[in-house]
Amino acid sequence: QVQLVQSGAEVRKPGASVQVSCKASGYIFTDYYIHWVRQAPGQGLEWMAWINPNSGGTSYAQKFKGRVTLTRATSIRTGYLQLNGLRSDDTAVYFCVTMGARQFDNWGQGTVVTVSS
Amino acid sequence: QSALTQPASVSESPGQAIAISCTGTSSDIGGYNYVYWYQHHPGKAPKLIIYEVTNRPSGVPDRFSGSKSGNTASLTISGLQAEDEADYYCSSYTSSDTWVFGGGTKLTVL
Repeated sequence: QVQLVQSGAEVRKPGASVQVSCKASGYIFTDYYIHWVRQAPGQGLEWMAWINPNSGGTSYAQKFKGRVTLTRATSIRTGYLQLNGLRSDDTAVYFCVTMGARQFDNWGQGTVVTVSS
Repeated sequence: QSALTQPASVSESPGQAIAISCTGTSSDIGGYNYVYWYQHHPGKAPKLIIYEVTNRPSGVPDRFSGSKSGNTASLTISGLQAEDEADYYCSSYTSSDTWVFGGGTKLTVL
């Protein structure tokens, strides 16, 4: 079955960086874009960016341009989200998702990132 | 890109029907038939219930339906059941080759 398995919870100080990984299985990794979505405590879902695992092409929400970088390692079927210059309002659950591909919609289990001094 | 506009909360009695609106612009909802709806129970991953405006994924009851008119999409849930109580989010593809979510609507089944 399709699975997206994310790396574990992270705690960082303000100004630091964090990298979250998302390992895919059960489908052809290069066939579907991987998106990243976050949900801050008490807030709604927020779309951040996507990566095309085949070409490595990316697209970022304006809000995150310059601070977020998506990469992938096709040999190990894994996508990565790096977020720099962390602030307290980056505290959230981060999800990787194969969304926007008709009914092929799969979510990782979420990774809690806590930014605190 | 601003978030799509949804009502913060709606409520209705079991067995009744309810519609949740999602308003965007001609650069997102109005320009593309790529509107998706998600049901989200706290602590779980969101679940896709409508894709490409009107389509239901396998396993989603036909009580859930989607539509669009101009820059506004709507999710209708008929025959409300207690387990439908959740947060609902719309999302849309945009002209910037990005995606955007709505702010979310909390559905309470009275």
